[in-house]
Amino acid sequence: EAGVAQSPRYKIIEKRQSVAFWCNPISGHATLYWYQQILGQGPKLLIQFQNNGVVDDSQLPKDRFSAERLKGVDSTLKIQPAKLEDSAVYLCASSSVTGGRETQYFGPGTRLLVL
Amino acid sequence: AQSVTQPDIHITVSEGASLELRCNYSYGATPYLFWYVQSPGQGLQLLLKYFSGDTLVQGIKGFEAEFKRSQSSFNLRKPSVHWSDAAEYFCAVASYNNNDMRFGAGTRLTVKP
Repeated sequence: EAGVAQSPRYKIIEKRQSVAFWCNPISGHATLYWYQQILGQGPKLLIQFQNNGVVDDSQLPKDRFSAERLKGVDSTLKIQPAKLEDSAVYLCASSSVTGGRETQYFGPGTRLLVL
Repeated sequence: AQSVTQPDIHITVSEGASLELRCNYSYGATPYLFWYVQSPGQGLQLLLKYFSGDTLVQGIKGFEAEFKRSQSSFNLRKPSVHWSDAAEYFCAVASYNNNDMRFGAGTRLTVKP
């Protein structure tokens, strides 16, 4: 089975520019997550989708970050305008449920450097 | 809200030696616990998970973890480390009724020849 796909793998931008990341989850996975992983830290949840609806976006900086999952499959995460502190790896994950229990599977991530 | 502490930022072991990575969690109910491994430039790969039942969980790549409720711990072990095990290891906890997964800060494993 194909894993979670993300693109681009790397992105370098200047502060105040905008950037978008794309994620294609594992086929059939209804739940999709975006995480931010700053160097030296564990991943932090930004937003969770169930199909095309938002379940949790409490930690998403909504003044500059936005995300959508229009058809309940692929998702995009956008930052506009970017700040230096947005430099991080952005991980996408999708999950399956077995026996009532959920397991998340992660993509390779997009490494963002804001100069 | 649940939280995870990984007390060791960096551990170095010799190839062939045994390994134990520590993980302590904080959560008021029965936690769902996970160990992930992240190689440089790669995403997170699930090693093993604990939901219920047998407290000793077997995972991939020869790893195992033991859930100890009395100590709020979920330590990861491997009897003999290989050079390819060098990576960052993350412990994570999720709650029962929501999928709010919280990660520890990670433990970086270095393997000496």
